[in-house]
Amino acid sequence: NAGVTQTPKFRVLKTGQSMTLLCAQDMNHEYMYWYRQDPGMGLRLIHYSVGEGTTAKGEVPDGYNVSRLKKQNFLLGLESAAPSQTSVYFCASGFSHRGDEQYFGPGTRLTVT
Amino acid sequence: GIQVEQSPPDLILQEGANSTLRCNFSDSVNNLQWFHQNPWGQLINLFYIPSGTKQNGRLSATTVATERYSLLYISSSQTTDSGVYFCAVDPSFQKLVFGTGTRLLVSP
Repeated sequence: NAGVTQTPKFRVLKTGQSMTLLCAQDMNHEYMYWYRQDPGMGLRLIHYSVGEGTTAKGEVPDGYNVSRLKKQNFLLGLESAAPSQTSVYFCASGFSHRGDEQYFGPGTRLTVT
Repeated sequence: GIQVEQSPPDLILQEGANSTLRCNFSDSVNNLQWFHQNPWGQLINLFYIPSGTKQNGRLSATTVATERYSLLYISSSQTTDSGVYFCAVDPSFQKLVFGTGTRLLVSP
C-alpha cells in the first residue's frame, strides 16, 4: 500500500499561472481532504469530498477548485495563482463520517512569485 | 467555530528528559489526533484518540473528552523527537481543526 500520494512534490509558479495538484489514495477511503499549511501555523481545510462526484468548501476555499471524478483521486486546482497561495499543501483521506482517523500525504510545496 | 489551544508553544529538552504536551478544545469532538511534523515537513500520525489512553513505545496519550483536553507524554526523549507536535480535532464528523502546535527541540 502506498497510502496517500501527492504530485508534484515541489512547484514554482508565476502570478496568474494555473496548475493542478493530484492526490491519490489506495485505501478505498470515501473521504478526501485538501489542507494548506502556512509558516508557523497548523493546517487549514480548503475543500473536501465525502465520496466520488462530491465536493464541499472548507475553511479557506477562495481561489481554489476541486474535483473528485474517481474515488481514489482528488484534484486541487489553482486557476490564477497569487503570491498569497504560497504554502505547503497536504492531502488526506479517511474512511467515513464517524470521525475516523485521517491519513496524510507527504505534501506539495508551492511557491508563487 | 471550535478553538484548539496547545501548550507550551515551544519546548527545549535535553535528551533523556520527559515532557507533557497539552491540547485544550472548546467544544465536544468526535475525533482527536496527535501528529508529529518532522523537520522535513512530513506529518506522522501518532495517535487517534477521541477518548481514553493509548501507548506506543515511549509515547502515550490521554484524552478526557468530558473536560475537553488531551495530553501527549514523551518519555526518554531523543533528538529524533524534535519537530512540531499538532493536536487536531473533528467537531463535525468531516474535517479536522488543527491547533497551532508545540515546537519541540531535543538537544544531545
